[in-house]
Amino acid sequence: DTAVSQTPKYLVTQMGNDKSIKCEQNLGHDTMYWYKQDSKKFLKIMFSYNNKELIINETVPNRFSPKSPDKAHLNLHINSLELGDSAVYFCASSQGHSNSPLHFGNGTRLTVT
Amino acid sequence: GEDVEQSLFLSVREGDSSVINCTYTDSSSTYLYWYKQEPGAGLQLLTYIFSNMDMKQDQRLTVLLNKKDKHLSLRIADTQTGDSAIYFCAERTGSQGNLIFGKGTKLSVKP
Repeated sequence: DTAVSQTPKYLVTQMGNDKSIKCEQNLGHDTMYWYKQDSKKFLKIMFSYNNKELIINETVPNRFSPKSPDKAHLNLHINSLELGDSAVYFCASSQGHSNSPLHFGNGTRLTVT
Repeated sequence: GEDVEQSLFLSVREGDSSVINCTYTDSSSTYLYWYKQEPGAGLQLLTYIFSNMDMKQDQRLTVLLNKKDKHLSLRIADTQTGDSAIYFCAERTGSQGNLIFGKGTKLSVKP
């Protein structure tokens, strides 16, 4: 009965590779997000989609491309991985994009070697 | 710009009360949130408060909001070792509803 689920939980890969992280929510929410948490635990928004449309796109390298096939899914594809991409990536969802709280997945720990 | 500030560390003894403080800058924030992150885990929503409220209580948790000073606090009564975690304050701001997080306060509870 997991509300927001991400796969994989851990991802170890080499520089230059392309990888994807998947996210699914079964809460019936219409807005989904990707956040990045760095080694100092700082959390920063990367993207936000509402009803499959991009509404927030922070200053993120264009190597990162979110894809939302439907309201319940928001995947993150990363091209040409770099060492600095190593972090924990969190998916979240909410109903609407202004007031309701975000519900987070358990995170994907990406390590680039 | 939007900014949320928290102290980085807090250490208390088991059974004491913990108070985690947060300041924010965007006066148009409608909701303010507290999230808890245990080691290796995701972010768990603890509680949230609407900006027209001064206080919200939920079992051992009390949230106080001073909108004039843009100050938010989370009090945990009878703190237990299981409360050891990082606590993030966050504000919902702007038309896009971006959730801006503080840097997190690491709470250590000593037996």
